[in-house]
Amino acid sequence: QVQLVQSGTELKKPGASVRVSCKASGYNLTSYGISWVRQAPGQGLEWVGWISALNGYRNYAQKVQGRVTVTTDTSTSTAYMELRRLRSDDTAVYYCARIGLTYPDYWGQGTLVTVSS
Amino acid sequence: DIQMTQSPSTLSASVGDRVTITCRASQSISNWLAWYQQKPGKAPKLLIYKASSLESGVSSRFSGSGSGTEFTLTISSLQPDDFATYYCHQYNTYSWTFGQGTKVEIK
Repeated sequence: QVQLVQSGTELKKPGASVRVSCKASGYNLTSYGISWVRQAPGQGLEWVGWISALNGYRNYAQKVQGRVTVTTDTSTSTAYMELRRLRSDDTAVYYCARIGLTYPDYWGQGTLVTVSS
Repeated sequence: DIQMTQSPSTLSASVGDRVTITCRASQSISNWLAWYQQKPGKAPKLLIYKASSLESGVSSRFSGSGSGTEFTLTISSLQPDDFATYYCHQYNTYSWTFGQGTKVEIK
């Protein structure tokens, strides 16, 4: 069965960087894109970015553009999201999700990233 | 970016009620819309894609309709397991957006 297992909780200081991993199993990572969505405490879902499996094309939300990079490592079936120059408003649960046909279908369990001095 | 506006923000209903949630897009998104259910502390779960297609394994009491700018999610007979927050999501453009969510509470 399709599973996405994410790395654990992170506590970072403002200005630092964080890298969240998302290990895929039960399907071929090269056949499906990966999206990243975050959810601040008590808030709704916010799209962060995605990477296409077809051609490696990436697109990012304007709010994090220039600070975020999403990548995949097909040798380990793992996707990564790196967010740099962290701010307090980056505190959120970060989810990876497989892009099915053109929408997220299977989701990881989420990774809490807390940014605090 | 395309804005997605859900209504209502909160909905109080009883078991057995028919419930409808509306999602409006700031411009036409054809039928490139999905609906998700989220429970506290859990990842979202896909219910509906392409506005009206039921995801495999999802109860048939969930249905979606609409195209262009106006969409609805209907739960035909609310069950205890359905009390959750629901989000619409447009994937018409390369820049995705979500609605702000509708919390379905027990009346």
